Amino acid sequence: ETGVTQTPRHLVMGMTNKKSLKCEQHLGHNAMYWYKQSAKKPLELMFVYSLEERVENNSVPSRFSPECPNSSHLFLHLHTLQPEDSALYLCASSQDSGRGSTDTQYFGPGTRLTVL
Amino acid sequence: QKEVEQNSGPLSVPEGAIASLNCTYSDRGSQSFFWYRQYSGKSPELIMFIYSNGDKEDGRFTAQLNKASQYVSLLIRDSQPSDSATYLCAVGYQKVTFGTGTKLQVIP
Repeated sequence: ETGVTQTPRHLVMGMTNKKSLKCEQHLGHNAMYWYKQSAKKPLELMFVYSLEERVENNSVPSRFSPECPNSSHLFLHLHTLQPEDSALYLCASSQDSGRGSTDTQYFGPGTRLTVL
Repeated sequence: QKEVEQNSGPLSVPEGAIASLNCTYSDRGSQSFFWYRQYSGKSPELIMFIYSNGDKEDGRFTAQLNKASQYVSLLIRDSQPSDSATYLCAVGYQKVTFGTGTKLQVIP
């Protein structure tokens, strides 16, 4: 089992719902990431937090809202999602040694999200 | 041109054979190279990383990096059915970029 946990593991929501995904890392890392994985597409980086500050946001729609209260926890708040947002959402963490995101990332088990 | 390219496969090899997985990348300034294994319905798990030209061995796995030709490969010796998975290549420069993965099938 990895040192990165995610809850819930599965989530079904309607387009008008509000829900949150949670990620927790137990590795003592200082950087955390949200990725989206859709079928037949490469992993898409959504957000990067290093030392609890957001350092990258790859033009993600505002219906996705991240929150990083401390270096061990990361949330992804969801509201008014679209069916095309259905995917596997992966959290990862790494130790940012100053080389930025070239450091090794360790993934959580993911949340399988279905938007009806 | 895709930043990180992998043949989607499936690559089928018999049990006990050597599986060779290849990856090419477009950014010459890339510094870090990773191979992840992803079983169906599971998250990626790190197998190896390599930073310098040449070979790096870890058990049955060997990563090979050739920066001049901009490719990185993963060799799996004595392939086992449990190695059947999708293998993701990831390349790091200013950020880590993932390929779409190669599906490997090891036939008993």
